[in-house]
Amino acid sequence: DTEVTQTPKHLVMGMTNKKSLKCEQHMGHRAMYWYKQKAKKPPELMFVYSYEKLSINESVPSRFSPECPNSSLLNLHLHALQPEDSALYLCASSQDTPGGLYEQYFGPGTRLTVT
Amino acid sequence: GENVEQHPSTLSVQEGDSAVIKCTYSDSASNYFPWYKQELGKRPQLIIDIRSNVGEKKDQRIAVTLNKTAKHFSLHITETQPEDSAVYFCAAPLSTGRRALTFGSGTRLQVQP
Repeated sequence: DTEVTQTPKHLVMGMTNKKSLKCEQHMGHRAMYWYKQKAKKPPELMFVYSYEKLSINESVPSRFSPECPNSSLLNLHLHALQPEDSALYLCASSQDTPGGLYEQYFGPGTRLTVT
Repeated sequence: GENVEQHPSTLSVQEGDSAVIKCTYSDSASNYFPWYKQELGKRPQLIIDIRSNVGEKKDQRIAVTLNKTAKHFSLHITETQPEDSAVYFCAAPLSTGRRALTFGSGTRLQVQP
């Protein structure tokens, strides 16, 4: 299984709502990532988990809260978002060994609209 | 941290022609350079990658070249087909020792039938 899955595919939420994005992989990867992608822009790194521990937070506002319950799952909890947070949220996973960077497999993304 | 610049932003070619996209990077310690293809509404997918211990890598119609001295790497697509039309992103390590990527700004390739 070389697939990363994400749910939901689409999400519309108000600025006072609380919602969560979910990501799952069964490739045995120990590094998992959240990216944000605006239209016609490259993916922008938000968070990196390595062996279920947060290793990189790219100065993301606290209204985004990541969680890695186990080695296969990654969540992104959303609260009090702004309209400018509307974007495609991509999850990715990769091997994590001392040898360096490896291919990142991306999920299909969750298209988020904040109203 | 690493800074990756990608050119051109758009590229239109006739079917059967070659396409070349170039990226430059700033950190001489960077050692991994992947290329991703993203079709409209789809996820980014790795099409080829190269590590700093080699200068060129080929996979059928796709090749990547790396010039460590000049700190640039390029994607070459030969015999382009309409299904090659997509946005292509280059990437490099975010910074030394950090297991994450930073992406170039993307190139929209249009292959005209």
